[in-house]
Amino acid sequence: DGGITQSPKYLFRKEGQNVTLSCEQNLNHDAMYWYRQDPGQGLRLIYYSQIVNDFQKGDIAEGYSVSREKKESFPLTVTSAQKNPTAFYLCASSISRTGAKNIQYFGAGTRLSVL
Amino acid sequence: RKEVEQDPGPFNVPEGATVAFNCTYSNSASQSFFWYRQDCRKEPKLLMSVYSSGNEDGRFTAQLNRASQYISLLIRDSKLSDSATYLCVVRVTGFQKLVFGTGTRLLVSP
Repeated sequence: DGGITQSPKYLFRKEGQNVTLSCEQNLNHDAMYWYRQDPGQGLRLIYYSQIVNDFQKGDIAEGYSVSREKKESFPLTVTSAQKNPTAFYLCASSISRTGAKNIQYFGAGTRLSVL
Repeated sequence: RKEVEQDPGPFNVPEGATVAFNCTYSNSASQSFFWYRQDCRKEPKLLMSVYSSGNEDGRFTAQLNRASQYISLLIRDSKLSDSATYLCVVRVTGFQKLVFGTGTRLLVSP
């Protein structure tokens, strides 16, 4: 089955703790993205990566970090510097980042809450 | 002004009705347009791309008006399973960035 797998589905973070959200894809897509969704707001871009070992900040990168060591994997770390981390986090991928091949497909998401 | 604006709804319609949503975008450099569907507490899924000449996929018709900078989605013969939030998505030339609207919620009742 091809697709994008996010884990865990639910995650709880304690004060001052860093947590890492996993995103794996077996679609052979070059580009991967992380979004955050809050109630009543559109998806907001946190980070994106066009190729392995390269990534760029999106609109709301503060308090987050990413890595892209493998084409298939793009984990997101929510650091203790992110003061309001409670949200629905969505990972997406696309064949490339440009042109008509930028149709993005999403994983099932991770719901992060603060204890 | 938001880059992509949608009426949040909800639009309450009976089964079999025809319903239309509009979405306006502010950046005239916008290049590509999409409608995504998002069910409650689920991920967005691509419903259809929107082409300049308009396009249809079964009961769904999408239109683009570049002069007025809006896109529309028409759903004919609504089904209960059409109940969802519909996200308007725009890609801006140059930045190759997708901008998502906040969505329009549709509730189809028996």
